[in-house]
Amino acid sequence: QKEVEQNSGPLSVPEGAIASLNCTYSDRGSQSFFWYRQYSGKSPELIMFIYSNGDKEDGRFTAQLNKASQYVSLLIRDSQPSDSATYLCAVNKGGGADGLTFGKGTHLIIQP
Amino acid sequence: GAVVSQHPSWVICKSGTSVKIECRSLDFQATTMFWYRQFPKQSLMLMATSNEGSKATYEQGVEKDKFLINHASLTLSTLTVTSAHPEDSSFYICSASRGRETQYFGPGTRLLVL
Repeated sequence: QKEVEQNSGPLSVPEGAIASLNCTYSDRGSQSFFWYRQYSGKSPELIMFIYSNGDKEDGRFTAQLNKASQYVSLLIRDSQPSDSATYLCAVNKGGGADGLTFGKGTHLIIQP
Repeated sequence: GAVVSQHPSWVICKSGTSVKIECRSLDFQATTMFWYRQFPKQSLMLMATSNEGSKATYEQGVEKDKFLINHASLTLSTLTVTSAHPEDSSFYICSASRGRETQYFGPGTRLLVL
């Protein structure tokens, strides 16, 4: 059974610091990895995706992928109170053509 | 670009009735659409995958006769919850993709069955 594991938190980080979110997955066939942000009562919004081992940066966000360790992480630099949300890690085998398996999410709180 | 809408955003119905939820890709043609469900304090669970003009593929444990999916065009998919019961109350979210790219989520539909 495909599983995606995340620490549920809450993870509390001071404003301006780096927030580090982690995710592990069980299906070695997974090829595509996504981070979504979900505010309470809203649907998920895509932060970024990563397909290859290594780091991928987009503004204040950096995704890191290590397929050998089946590990994905998201770093948020210069954390802002508006970054407070639940962060969902999701994986699949085929990018946009395949359904996503989500983790339960990590609740992040940025303290002003 | 890549905007997905859902209608209605909220629906309250009596037990035993059927409810239809629409999902539209507004500015692109979606090769594939997906339906997810999210219970309170839980993560999203994939219910089914649908491609335009073909039957939906349901995930294990999802009753295809209860959750009817119609993908009539490249911009519209509908989910009908038939004979809804209180345990079907949930947040239903669709997503759409245009091939290799990632999925774009709609705003979701909250269903409350009394």
